[in-house]
Amino acid sequence: AQSVSQHNHHVILSEAASLELGCNYSYGGTVNLFWYVQYPGQHLQLLLKYFSGDPLVKGIKGFEAEFIKSKFSFNLRKPSVQWSDTAEYFCAVNAGGGFKTIFGAGTRLFVKA
Amino acid sequence: SAVISQKPSRDICQRGTSLTIQCQVDSQVTMMFWYRQQPGQSLTLIATANQGSEATYESGFVIDKFPISRPNLTFSTLTVSNMSPEDSSIYLCSVEGGAADPSTDTQYFGPGTRLTVL
Repeated sequence: AQSVSQHNHHVILSEAASLELGCNYSYGGTVNLFWYVQYPGQHLQLLLKYFSGDPLVKGIKGFEAEFIKSKFSFNLRKPSVQWSDTAEYFCAVNAGGGFKTIFGAGTRLFVKA
Repeated sequence: SAVISQKPSRDICQRGTSLTIQCQVDSQVTMMFWYRQQPGQSLTLIATANQGSEATYESGFVIDKFPISRPNLTFSTLTVSNMSPEDSSIYLCSVEGGAADPSTDTQYFGPGTRLTVL
């Protein structure tokens, strides 16, 4: 069965610090990978996604994620965080073709101004 | 992307009662999903609702407790029946793809319904 593991439940950073949120999944076949974000008081929305091609994916607001197949990882990065990046971030995976999407437990990021 | 609305946005209910949550999408979609997000936890899929067929429930969720309707390609309801305090959660409606993104397994989420059961 598929599973998704996010390494950090809570992360606190100062503005301008670099961010890396870890995500590992377990599934042997081809997968689609996602990062979703939920800002305070807002609903869940897509940050970026990987389906095929370049393993380095760029999303909105300066975020990027790198798919490393050999490590079953899809870590999220941002070189310099802002206070407005305070949110909860969810990694998700599905096997495509109608398989359900599995979500990680989420990482709460708090950025200090 | 699909725009999804849910009603009600929040409710406080008494134990033993039932609440029906509505989900409306601005475009026709084949697959709609209902999730639960309990405090401090990730999203748990309750069921998948395809128009014209019975909903498919995940392990631990049953139709008697969470009946779902899917009368057309833009609307669905989830009922939380015979509620107990353990049902207090955020319930989220989600769709996959839609008119603008039909084949990429990307999901779009509604704003959620925050349910508190006393």
